Amino acid sequence: NAGVTQTPKFRVLKTGQSMTLLCAQDMNHEYMYWYRQDPGMGLRLIHYSVGEGTTAKGEVPDGYNVSRLKKQNFLLGLESAAPSQTSVYFCASRRAETEAFFGQGTRLTVV
Amino acid sequence: AQSVTQLGSHVSVSEGALVLLRCNYSSSVPPYLFWYVQYPNQGLQLLLKYTTGATLVKGINGFEAEFKKSETSFHLTKPSAHMSDAAEYFCAVSENNAGNMLTFGGGTRLMVKP
Repeated sequence: NAGVTQTPKFRVLKTGQSMTLLCAQDMNHEYMYWYRQDPGMGLRLIHYSVGEGTTAKGEVPDGYNVSRLKKQNFLLGLESAAPSQTSVYFCASRRAETEAFFGQGTRLTVV
Repeated sequence: AQSVTQLGSHVSVSEGALVLLRCNYSSSVPPYLFWYVQYPNQGLQLLLKYTTGATLVKGINGFEAEFKKSETSFHLTKPSAHMSDAAEYFCAVSENNAGNMLTFGGGTRLMVKP
């Protein structure tokens, strides 16, 4: 049982490049989330989804886009990467009223 | 809007001493509350959760937390710290509504001295 899988695990981008982070879950969860983790700032919610085909903005959505075309996948896109987007990105999924399950994270460096 | 405050970004205890990590939340509806632990270079692992029912909840590794509605708190405790408890701990809140956002506090790094 894989749980929540994030790809890639590491990536280095040049400023202005684009990329997509993939999150896949095999638990049939309705809700999925993308967070970024920066030192001393905890986890901040970027975007989230409450079901297939729906997305919503979180606390820090600027510079990111998301899509949930299939229930099991939640994609996070950076159209034009900036050094301020250097961070560790975590995906999570859950059912209503239960805990979230997290992926192992993607460490992104923008130079 | 929901929010979470964790008092103390760093807490240091001696091995065998009581661990107390503080979490206060704000929520306009009855909340669901969670504590997660993160070891270096890993994802987050659930320690314990409160959804409904008993306000004192027990989790893994000997941790427990008590939901106190009047104080809007959900502090995490462990009677006796072990070296392996050194990690970062996050408190999180989710409101029981259609939005179901999951909001985290800033985290507390626990250090355990021998």
